[in-house]
Amino acid sequence: QLQLQESGPGLVKPSETLSLTCTVSGGSISSSFYNWGWIRQPPGKGLEWIGSIYYSGSTYYSPSLKSRVTISVDTSKSQFSLKLSSVTAADTAVYYCATRYCSGSSCFYFNYWGQGTLVTVSS
Amino acid sequence: QTVVTQEPSFSVSPGGTVTLTCGLSSGSVSTGYYPSWYQQTPGQAPRTLIYSTNTRSSGVPDRFSGSILGNKAALTITGAQADDESDYYCVLYMGSGISVFGGGTKLTVL
Repeated sequence: QLQLQESGPGLVKPSETLSLTCTVSGGSISSSFYNWGWIRQPPGKGLEWIGSIYYSGSTYYSPSLKSRVTISVDTSKSQFSLKLSSVTAADTAVYYCATRYCSGSSCFYFNYWGQGTLVTVSS
Repeated sequence: QTVVTQEPSFSVSPGGTVTLTCGLSSGSVSTGYYPSWYQQTPGQAPRTLIYSTNTRSSGVPDRFSGSILGNKAALTITGAQADDESDYYCVLYMGSGISVFGGGTKLTVL
Protein backbone atom coordinates (compact mmCIF):
# COMPACT_ATOMS: atom_id res chain seq x y z
CA GLN A 1 0.00 0.00 0.00
CA LEU A 2 1.54 3.25 -1.12
CA GLN A 3 1.77 6.04 1.42
CA LEU A 4 2.50 9.66 0.63
CA GLN A 5 3.51 12.40 3.04
CA GLU A 6 3.81 16.10 2.27
CA SER A 7 6.35 18.32 4.01
CA GLY A 8 7.42 21.94 3.77
CA PRO A 9 6.86 25.42 5.17
CA GLY A 10 3.35 26.33 6.22
CA LEU A 11 3.88 30.04 5.63
CA VAL A 12 5.30 31.71 2.54
CA LYS A 13 5.66 35.43 1.86
CA PRO A 14 4.03 37.02 -1.19
CA SER A 15 6.23 37.04 -4.32
CA GLU A 16 8.40 34.23 -2.94
CA THR A 17 8.54 30.58 -4.04
CA LEU A 18 6.47 27.89 -2.38
CA SER A 19 8.38 24.61 -2.00
CA LEU A 20 6.90 21.28 -0.92
CA THR A 21 8.19 17.71 -0.91
CA CYS A 22 6.27 14.45 -0.99
CA THR A 23 7.90 11.31 0.40
CA VAL A 24 6.71 7.98 -0.98
CA SER A 25 6.77 4.76 1.01
CA GLY A 26 5.34 1.28 0.58
CA GLY A 27 6.14 1.11 -3.10
CA SER A 28 8.50 2.16 -5.86
CA ILE A 29 8.58 5.70 -7.17
CA SER A 30 10.04 4.21 -10.35
CA SER A 31 6.79 2.50 -11.33
CA SER A 32 5.85 2.97 -14.97
CA PHE A 33 2.15 2.93 -14.10
CA TYR A 34 2.05 5.93 -11.85
CA ASN A 35 2.91 9.50 -12.18
CA TRP A 36 3.37 11.63 -9.12
CA GLY A 37 1.52 14.85 -8.76
CA TRP A 38 0.20 17.78 -6.81
CA ILE A 39 -3.36 18.94 -6.26
CA ARG A 40 -4.45 21.93 -4.23
CA GLN A 41 -7.61 23.18 -2.54
CA PRO A 42 -8.06 26.79 -1.41
CA PRO A 43 -10.03 27.12 1.82
CA GLY A 44 -13.71 26.47 1.19
CA LYS A 45 -13.15 25.85 -2.54
CA GLY A 46 -12.70 22.96 -4.93
CA LEU A 47 -9.78 20.81 -5.97
CA GLU A 48 -7.32 21.87 -8.67
CA TRP A 49 -4.76 19.66 -10.39
CA ILE A 50 -1.39 21.42 -10.50
CA GLY A 51 0.76 18.92 -12.35
CA SER A 52 2.39 15.51 -12.38
CA ILE A 53 5.74 13.89 -13.15
CA TYR A 54 6.91 10.44 -14.21
CA TYR A 55 9.93 8.91 -12.51
CA SER A 56 11.76 9.44 -15.81
CA GLY A 57 11.31 13.19 -15.35
CA SER A 58 8.57 13.80 -17.92
CA THR A 59 6.29 16.53 -16.59
CA TYR A 60 2.71 17.63 -17.20
CA TYR A 61 1.38 20.91 -15.87
CA SER A 62 -1.98 22.61 -15.64
CA PRO A 63 -2.09 25.24 -18.40
CA SER A 64 -3.27 27.85 -15.92
CA LEU A 65 -0.25 27.38 -13.63
CA LYS A 66 2.38 26.20 -16.08
CA SER A 67 4.35 29.44 -16.11
CA ARG A 68 4.96 29.29 -12.33
CA VAL A 69 5.23 25.55 -11.58
CA THR A 70 8.15 23.17 -11.49
CA ILE A 71 7.79 19.55 -10.37
CA SER A 72 10.86 17.38 -9.95
CA VAL A 73 11.61 13.85 -8.76
CA ASP A 74 14.46 12.34 -6.77
CA THR A 75 14.21 8.58 -7.17
CA SER A 76 17.13 7.96 -4.80
CA LYS A 77 15.14 9.51 -1.97
CA SER A 78 11.69 8.32 -3.14
CA GLN A 79 10.60 11.94 -3.18
CA PHE A 80 9.08 14.40 -5.59
CA SER A 81 8.80 18.12 -5.15
CA LEU A 82 6.72 21.13 -6.08
CA LYS A 83 7.94 24.68 -6.60
CA LEU A 84 5.42 27.46 -7.25
CA SER A 85 6.95 30.84 -7.90
CA SER A 86 5.71 34.40 -7.40
CA VAL A 87 2.99 33.36 -4.97
CA THR A 88 0.09 35.56 -3.91
CA ALA A 89 -2.68 35.17 -1.37
CA ALA A 90 -4.65 33.29 -4.04
CA ASP A 91 -2.14 30.45 -3.71
CA THR A 92 -3.14 29.85 -0.10
CA ALA A 93 -4.45 26.30 -0.07
CA VAL A 94 -4.16 22.78 1.23
CA TYR A 95 -1.67 21.07 -1.05
CA TYR A 96 -2.01 17.34 -1.62
CA CYS A 97 0.44 15.01 -3.26
CA ALA A 98 -1.16 12.11 -5.08
CA THR A 99 -0.44 9.30 -7.48
CA ARG A 100 -2.13 9.24 -10.86
CA TYR A 101 -2.50 5.82 -12.47
CA CYS A 102 -1.56 5.93 -16.13
CA SER A 103 -1.05 3.41 -18.90
CA GLY A 104 0.21 4.14 -22.36
CA SER A 105 -0.82 7.65 -23.29
CA SER A 106 -3.80 7.85 -20.94
CA CYS A 107 -4.17 8.60 -17.27
CA PHE A 108 -7.12 7.17 -15.49
CA TYR A 109 -7.43 8.34 -11.93
CA PHE A 110 -5.81 9.53 -8.75
CA ASN A 111 -5.57 6.60 -6.40
CA TYR A 112 -3.30 7.39 -3.46
CA TRP A 113 -3.34 10.69 -1.64
CA GLY A 114 -1.26 12.34 1.04
CA GLN A 115 -3.05 13.86 4.00
CA GLY A 116 -2.49 17.39 2.69
CA THR A 117 -0.60 20.34 4.07
CA LEU A 118 -1.88 23.89 4.47
CA VAL A 119 0.28 26.58 2.97
CA THR A 120 -0.60 30.17 3.77
CA VAL A 121 0.76 33.05 1.71
CA SER A 122 1.06 36.10 3.92
CA SER A 123 3.59 38.71 4.93
CA GLN B 1 -10.05 26.70 -21.77
CA THR B 2 -12.44 23.80 -21.21
CA VAL B 3 -14.38 23.87 -17.96
CA VAL B 4 -15.67 20.72 -16.25
CA THR B 5 -19.12 21.38 -14.85
CA GLN B 6 -20.90 19.89 -11.84
CA GLU B 7 -24.03 20.84 -9.95
CA PRO B 8 -22.96 23.07 -7.03
CA SER B 9 -25.31 21.34 -4.64
CA PHE B 10 -27.81 18.53 -4.42
CA SER B 11 -29.96 17.01 -1.72
CA VAL B 12 -31.33 13.52 -1.27
CA SER B 13 -33.50 11.85 1.33
CA PRO B 14 -32.10 8.95 3.33
CA GLY B 15 -32.67 5.78 1.34
CA GLY B 16 -33.23 7.72 -1.84
CA THR B 17 -31.36 7.74 -5.13
CA VAL B 18 -29.41 10.68 -6.51
CA THR B 19 -27.46 11.17 -9.73
CA LEU B 20 -24.69 13.74 -9.90
CA THR B 21 -23.35 14.75 -13.29
CA CYS B 22 -20.07 15.89 -14.81
CA GLY B 23 -20.12 17.76 -18.08
CA LEU B 24 -18.02 19.94 -20.35
CA SER B 25 -18.51 23.61 -21.10
CA SER B 26 -18.05 22.64 -24.72
CA GLY B 27 -18.71 19.17 -26.04
CA SER B 28 -19.77 15.83 -24.65
CA VAL B 29 -18.16 13.58 -22.08
CA SER B 30 -17.36 10.10 -23.34
CA THR B 31 -15.54 7.11 -21.92
CA GLY B 32 -12.41 8.41 -23.62
CA TYR B 33 -12.19 11.09 -20.95
CA TYR B 34 -11.85 8.30 -18.35
CA PRO B 35 -14.14 10.06 -15.87
CA SER B 36 -13.36 9.41 -12.22
CA TRP B 37 -15.20 10.40 -9.06
CA TYR B 38 -13.97 11.33 -5.58
CA GLN B 39 -15.68 11.82 -2.24
CA GLN B 40 -14.36 14.34 0.26
CA THR B 41 -15.51 15.06 3.79
CA PRO B 42 -14.35 18.20 5.64
CA GLY B 43 -10.72 18.12 6.71
CA GLN B 44 -9.99 14.88 4.88
CA ALA B 45 -8.17 13.98 1.72
CA PRO B 46 -10.38 12.87 -1.16
CA ARG B 47 -11.30 9.21 -1.49
CA THR B 48 -11.45 7.58 -4.89
CA LEU B 49 -14.89 6.13 -5.64
CA ILE B 50 -15.11 5.40 -9.37
CA TYR B 51 -12.59 5.36 -12.22
CA SER B 52 -12.69 4.75 -15.94
CA THR B 53 -16.38 5.73 -16.00
CA ASN B 54 -17.81 2.83 -14.01
CA THR B 55 -15.16 0.83 -12.12
CA ARG B 56 -15.53 1.00 -8.36
CA SER B 57 -12.36 1.50 -6.38
CA SER B 58 -11.46 -1.14 -3.81
CA GLY B 59 -13.77 -1.10 -0.79
CA VAL B 60 -16.38 1.22 -2.31
CA PRO B 61 -19.94 0.02 -1.64
CA ASP B 62 -21.96 -1.06 -4.66
CA ARG B 63 -24.56 1.63 -3.96
CA PHE B 64 -22.12 3.91 -5.81
CA SER B 65 -22.11 3.48 -9.57
CA GLY B 66 -20.79 5.40 -12.54
CA SER B 67 -22.03 5.76 -16.09
CA ILE B 68 -22.37 8.02 -19.10
CA LEU B 69 -25.81 9.62 -19.26
CA GLY B 70 -26.43 11.55 -22.42
CA ASN B 71 -23.48 13.87 -22.87
CA LYS B 72 -22.25 13.73 -19.28
CA ALA B 73 -20.58 11.38 -16.87
CA ALA B 74 -22.77 10.45 -13.94
CA LEU B 75 -22.37 9.20 -10.38
CA THR B 76 -25.43 7.53 -8.94
CA ILE B 77 -25.88 6.81 -5.26
CA THR B 78 -28.63 4.29 -4.59
CA GLY B 79 -30.00 4.01 -1.06
CA ALA B 80 -28.26 7.13 0.22
CA GLN B 81 -27.02 7.05 3.78
CA ALA B 82 -26.28 9.84 6.20
CA ASP B 83 -22.55 9.38 5.87
CA ASP B 84 -22.79 9.92 2.10
CA GLU B 85 -23.17 13.61 2.92
CA SER B 86 -19.94 14.92 1.38
CA ASP B 87 -18.45 16.88 -1.46
CA TYR B 88 -18.13 14.93 -4.71
CA TYR B 89 -15.66 15.77 -7.45
CA CYS B 90 -15.27 14.42 -10.94
CA VAL B 91 -12.05 14.46 -12.95
CA LEU B 92 -11.74 14.21 -16.72
CA TYR B 93 -8.57 13.29 -18.57
CA MET B 94 -8.11 15.78 -21.42
CA GLY B 95 -5.16 14.05 -23.07
CA SER B 96 -1.56 15.23 -23.27
CA GLY B 97 -1.15 14.47 -19.59
CA ILE B 98 -3.78 16.99 -18.49
CA SER B 99 -6.42 16.22 -15.85
CA VAL B 100 -9.16 18.67 -14.92
CA PHE B 101 -11.33 18.65 -11.81
CA GLY B 102 -14.94 19.70 -11.83
CA GLY B 103 -16.02 22.36 -9.36
CA GLY B 104 -17.55 19.77 -7.03
CA THR B 105 -21.06 19.02 -5.78
CA LYS B 106 -22.02 19.40 -2.15
CA LEU B 107 -24.44 16.58 -1.35
CA THR B 108 -26.81 16.94 1.57
CA VAL B 109 -28.67 13.92 2.94
CA LEU B 110 -31.82 15.02 4.73
